[in-house]
Amino acid sequence: QVQLVESGGGVVQPGRSLRLSCAVSGFTFSSFAMHWVRQAPGKGLDWVAIISKDGTNKYYADSVKGRFTISRDNSKNTLYLQMNSLRAEDTAVYFCAKDRVGVTGTVFDYWGQGTLVTVSS
Amino acid sequence: DIQMTQSPSTLSASVGDRVNLTCRASQSISRWLAWYQQKPGKAPKLLIYKASSLESGVPSRFSGSGSGTEFTLTISSLQPDDFATYYCQQYNSGWTFGQGTKVEIK
Repeated sequence: QVQLVESGGGVVQPGRSLRLSCAVSGFTFSSFAMHWVRQAPGKGLDWVAIISKDGTNKYYADSVKGRFTISRDNSKNTLYLQMNSLRAEDTAVYFCAKDRVGVTGTVFDYWGQGTLVTVSS
Repeated sequence: DIQMTQSPSTLSASVGDRVNLTCRASQSISRWLAWYQQKPGKAPKLLIYKASSLESGVPSRFSGSGSGTEFTLTISSLQPDDFATYYCQQYNSGWTFGQGTKVEIK
């Protein structure tokens, strides 16, 4: 069955960096676009970034543009999110999510369980 | 950017009730709208896509309608498992979620 497992979350000081990973199984990873979505404690869902199936197209929310980088390794069936210059407002549970299609991006049909990132001094 | 507004923020209902959740877009998104269900501490689950298409495995008591800027998620007969928070999401231009509607037990 389809599985997405995030890792790499934790407590980090403002201004520091963190890299999240999302290991997937149960589907052909290289055929689908992938997303990161976050949810601040007690708040709603907030889309962060998308990467196309081959990694050539990437788009970001304005709130993270220039600080976060999404990438993927199709040989390892793994999605990444490099987060630099972290701020307190980046504190959230970060979910990776599979898109229904490969390039343009549509809906998120499978999600991981999430990993918590806390930015605090 | 397209803004999504859901109403009500909280809805109190009983098992067996028919409930309607509303989602409004700040500009037309055609039918590029999805609905997700999220329970506390869990990942969201896709229920409806393209405004009215039921995701595989989702009970038929869930239905979606609307186009343009006004959309509705209907649960025809609320079940105990349906008490959760529901989010709409537009994917016409980028990806934006509404703030959510929490369906709680009356």
